[in-house]
Amino acid sequence: GAGVSQSPSNKVTEKGKDVELRCDPISGHTALYWYRQRLGQGLEFLIYFQGNSAPDKSGLPSDRFSAERTGESVSTLTIQRTQQEDSAVYLCASSSPDRVYEQYFGPGTRLTVT
Amino acid sequence: DQQVKQNSPSLSVQEGRISILNCDYTNSMFDYFLWYKKYPAEGPTFLISISSIKDKNEDGRFTVFLNKSAKHLSLHIVPSQPGDSAVYFCAASARGMDGANSKLTFGKGITLSVRP
Repeated sequence: GAGVSQSPSNKVTEKGKDVELRCDPISGHTALYWYRQRLGQGLEFLIYFQGNSAPDKSGLPSDRFSAERTGESVSTLTIQRTQQEDSAVYLCASSSPDRVYEQYFGPGTRLTVT
Repeated sequence: DQQVKQNSPSLSVQEGRISILNCDYTNSMFDYFLWYKKYPAEGPTFLISISSIKDKNEDGRFTVFLNKSAKHLSLHIVPSQPGDSAVYFCAASARGMDGANSKLTFGKGITLSVRP
């Protein structure tokens, strides 16, 4: 079956522009996570969706960041008025209800803000 | 505030020998630990995990050891193979009473190079 897919794979944008990143989780996976990895750093949790529960947004670094998920499918991460410090690889992961800790990651979107 | 620390940025070992990757954590609420492996231009892939009620979990060539009193875990790979060359991330979760939130806290990773 298909794994987690993300688009675009690379995005270069000018400072101040808005960007939208997309994630398609594995079918049947109720949990979806967004992480980011800045250069030389580990993965940093951003937001977590689990079924119909309210998302855990505790990792979002500022109010310029937001994410939505439609049911148990596609999620979009939006960054408004991008800044150079937003440059990172944005990773999406999903997990099944019975193995929530074994998260399956997509290949990531490399965002470069110039 | 690094709650999961991988203090060595890199490790090089000879093929066939043991690789030992270390990880320390500071949050005593963490009760589940995982190792992920990452190749360039790919997302991390789950490798092995351990619950805090155990001190060892083995899967083929991979064994994870947990020392709760020292807040330390390690991943042993034996024998090491060139295909094991990758970045390895240690991750931890504080599941809480109902296990409802599975977000992971990751270390910075360690780059393992296995020499043929």
